[in-house]
Amino acid sequence: DARVTQTPRHKVTEMGQEVTMRCQPILGHNTVFWYRQTMMQGLELLAYFRNRAPLDDSGMPKDRFSAEMPDATLATLKIQPSEPRDSAVYFCASVLETDSQPQHFGDGTRLSIL
Amino acid sequence: LAKTTQPISMDSYEGQEVNITCSHNNIATNDYITWYQQFPSQGPRFIIQGYKTKVTNEVASLFIPADRKSSTLSLPRVSLSDTAVYYCLVGDNAGGTSYGKLTFGQGTILTVHP
Repeated sequence: DARVTQTPRHKVTEMGQEVTMRCQPILGHNTVFWYRQTMMQGLELLAYFRNRAPLDDSGMPKDRFSAEMPDATLATLKIQPSEPRDSAVYFCASVLETDSQPQHFGDGTRLSIL
Repeated sequence: LAKTTQPISMDSYEGQEVNITCSHNNIATNDYITWYQQFPSQGPRFIIQGYKTKVTNEVASLFIPADRKSSTLSLPRVSLSDTAVYYCLVGDNAGGTSYGKLTFGQGTILTVHP
């Protein structure tokens, strides 16, 4: 059963440090999403890519967050510098862009910024 | 973007049928209705998706009235393992420019009791 793989599953670091989260989408999926989940805000869409090109990153704080897809098998979300308010679970999802296909989610990276 | 409203929580007992209704008064012509399930420490998992009338799969049924302004997820004979958060989403899954802007609401916390 194909799955979206996210690493690391947990990350604890001090504020000011750079954090990089990685996502391996399901092979053949051409659209990748990054979400953030907190108790207060729920699940928020941060950014998404299609065929490795960024389509929308309006949900992402631009000054410290960046998202890239170096190749079709890897998506990265980077925070630099990190702040305590960035503590959340970050999910990656992927889909093959055809009619009415649902997104497949990874199990997330739980990030704690001290 | 169509906004969804669903109950914050529901309680049920093992073996009962559970119906969770979601309101989406501003649903657009191209929008599909999708339901996800999320367990603690896991990413959301696709349950079922529909456009109109009734859809049934091996785990659930989705009832959509003719006006499409609401939908009901039906879980037959729930078990303790169905305790989770259930999200109703409305969005264009057909690859248009709005694709990916699926907005997760707060979801419905379903608790199944022995």
